[in-house]
Amino acid sequence: NAGVTQTPKFQVLKTGQSMTLQCAQDMNHEYMSWYRQDPGMGLRLIHYSVGAGITDQGEVPNGYNVSRSTTEDFPLRLLSAAPSQTSVYFCASSYSNWDSPLHFGNGTRLTVT
Amino acid sequence: AQSVTQPDIHITVSEGASLELRCNYSYGATPYLFWYVQSPGQGLQLLLKYFSGDTLVQGIKGFEAEFKRSQSSFNLRKPSVHWSDAAEYFCAVGEGGYSTLTFGKGTMLLVSP
Repeated sequence: NAGVTQTPKFQVLKTGQSMTLQCAQDMNHEYMSWYRQDPGMGLRLIHYSVGAGITDQGEVPNGYNVSRSTTEDFPLRLLSAAPSQTSVYFCASSYSNWDSPLHFGNGTRLTVT
Repeated sequence: AQSVTQPDIHITVSEGASLELRCNYSYGATPYLFWYVQSPGQGLQLLLKYFSGDTLVQGIKGFEAEFKRSQSSFNLRKPSVHWSDAAEYFCAVGEGGYSTLTFGKGTMLLVSP
C-alpha cells in the first residue's frame, strides 16, 4: 500500500518556467489537497478537491492550477514559476469526514531561481 | 475565519522531562482539533484528535492533549520526552461539515541529552 506518492522529490526551475507536481493516492480517498510549507509560516492550503471533477481554492491559490479527473490523481500546476513559489509542497488525502486523518506525501522541494 | 496560534516557535526540553506545547484557536462553535507531527524530511502524521466528549484525549507515542473551551486551548503534553520526539509539531483546526484544516505555524521541539 503506497499511500500518497509525490513526484518529483526535488525540482529547480527558472523564473517563468511551468511545471506540474504530481500526487497520487491509492486509498480511494475522496478528499485531496495541496499545501505549501515555508519557514515560520506553517502549512498553507493552496487548492483542494472533494471528489473527481470538483476543486476549490484554499488560502494561497494564486499562480497555481489544479484538476481532478480521477479519484487517484491531483496534480498541481505552476503556470509561470516565480521565486516566491520556492517552497516545500505537500499533497494530502483523506476520506471526507473529520474522523479520517489526513495522509501526507513526503513532499516536493521546489526552488525557483 | 478560524485561526490557530502556537505561541512557541522553538522549545528545548531535556530528555526525560515533561513537555507541554501550547495551541490556541479562534472559532465560534465547537471545533475539530488535531495535533500533527513532522519529522525532518517527512510529511505530517496525526498524533491525536478531539471532536467532543472527554476533554482529555490520548494519542500515539504517549502524547495526550486537553481541550479547554474556556481558554480556547488544546495543549499537547507528554510526561517524559524521548530523543526521538524531536520534531516539529502542528496544531490544526477544522470547522463545520468536512472541509479544510487550518494549521498553526508549528513548534519545533529540540530534545537535549
